[in-house]
Formats: sequence, structure tokens, C-alpha cells
Amino acid sequence: EAGVTQSPTHLIKTRGQQATLRCSPISGHTSVYWYQQALGLGLQFLLWYDEGEERNRGNFPPRFSGRQFPNYSSELNVNALELEDSALYLCASSDGQGYGYTFGSGTRLTVV
Amino acid sequence: AQSVTQLGSHVSVSEGALVLLRCNYSSSVPPYLFWYVQYPNQGLQLLLKYTSAATLVKGINGFEAEFKKSETSFHLTKPSAHMSDAAEYFCAVKRQGAQKLVFGQGTRLTINP
Repeated sequence: EAGVTQSPTHLIKTRGQQATLRCSPISGHTSVYWYQQALGLGLQFLLWYDEGEERNRGNFPPRFSGRQFPNYSSELNVNALELEDSALYLCASSDGQGYGYTFGSGTRLTVV
Repeated sequence: AQSVTQLGSHVSVSEGALVLLRCNYSSSVPPYLFWYVQYPNQGLQLLLKYTSAATLVKGINGFEAEFKKSETSFHLTKPSAHMSDAAEYFCAVKRQGAQKLVFGQGTRLTINP
């Protein structure tokens, strides 16, 4: 069984640009979660998508947005990039049964 | 609302010594509890989970954790540390029937030779 896959692995952008990160969940999982892991700040919840709808949102500005496609894959978009957006962005999926998440390996976003 | 507190952002033990990573939770309803491990530049991997069955939960790599309701704790232990255990460990909680996992701030485990 393929795990959660994220692309790209690394992404370098300049301040003010837009970044798009992608996530494919485990087959059969309908929920996708996005987390930001910045240096020294732990895991910060960003977004939760389920069945194509945004279900919950963390305390992040509107320039962080995303969507979930009919095949349950997901995109995270970050507009007007700032230096402090540099972080590891982790995607996770679950089957909705409540027994925890399966994480991808993350996308390392560097804003210069 | 659920929350998790991990006591000690850094823990250092000698190879072969006991590993004890502390986690206390707050939940108004019976929780599900999880421990995840993160190796450098990787995602999180599930170590073990408590879902209201046995209170002593055994996970991968020789780790185990005990759910103690009276102490609202879910500490992670391993009898004998290996160098390969060096990583960051995250405790997480969720309400039964809910989807969202709430993570602690993490504990970085260092193993001394």
C-alpha cells in the first residue's frame, strides 16, 4: 500500500511569490490535514479537508489556502510568501475512523 | 477542548538506559492518545496509540506507553535506549469520534554513547 506522498520534496521561492504544495493521501482515506513545522515552533495545524470541503482551519492568515480534489488529493497554496513561511509542511491523511493519521515526508519550503 | 503537555523539550540518556518521555493530556471526554516519532528531515511515524482498550500499549521499536486516567498521563518508555532512537517524539490527543489531532510541542531525544 502506497503511503501519503507529498511533492515537491524541496521548494525554494523568493519573498512575495506563491508556492503550491501537493499531497496524495493513502488510497481510501478521505481526510487530508496540513501542518506547518517551523523551526522551534512544533506542529501547527493549518487546514483539514474532508470529502472535498474545508472542515477546519488553524490560526493562519488567508494567504494560506488549499483545496481537495475529487480523488481526495490536496493542494496547499501560500500566496505573498514571507521569510517566516520557511518551514517543513506536512500532510497527513486518515480514514475518518479516528485512529490517527498517516503522515507524508513533507515539503521543505525555503523563502529567500 | 483537548490539549497535550510534553514535559521537557530535550531529554538525553545513555545508550542502554531507560527512556522516559512524559506526556500529560487535558480532555473533558475520554481521549484517544498517540505517540509519533520524527527522524531528521522526515515526516511523523506512528509509534503507538491508545483507543480505550488495554491501558498498557505496546508499539514499534520496543516502545510502550501506559494510559493513567487518574494522572491524566500517557508517558512513553523503552527499557534500553539505542542510538537509533535519537529523534523527536510527539504526543497527541483527540476526542473519541472527532477527527482533529492536537499535538504537544515535542521532545527531542538524544542518546549518548
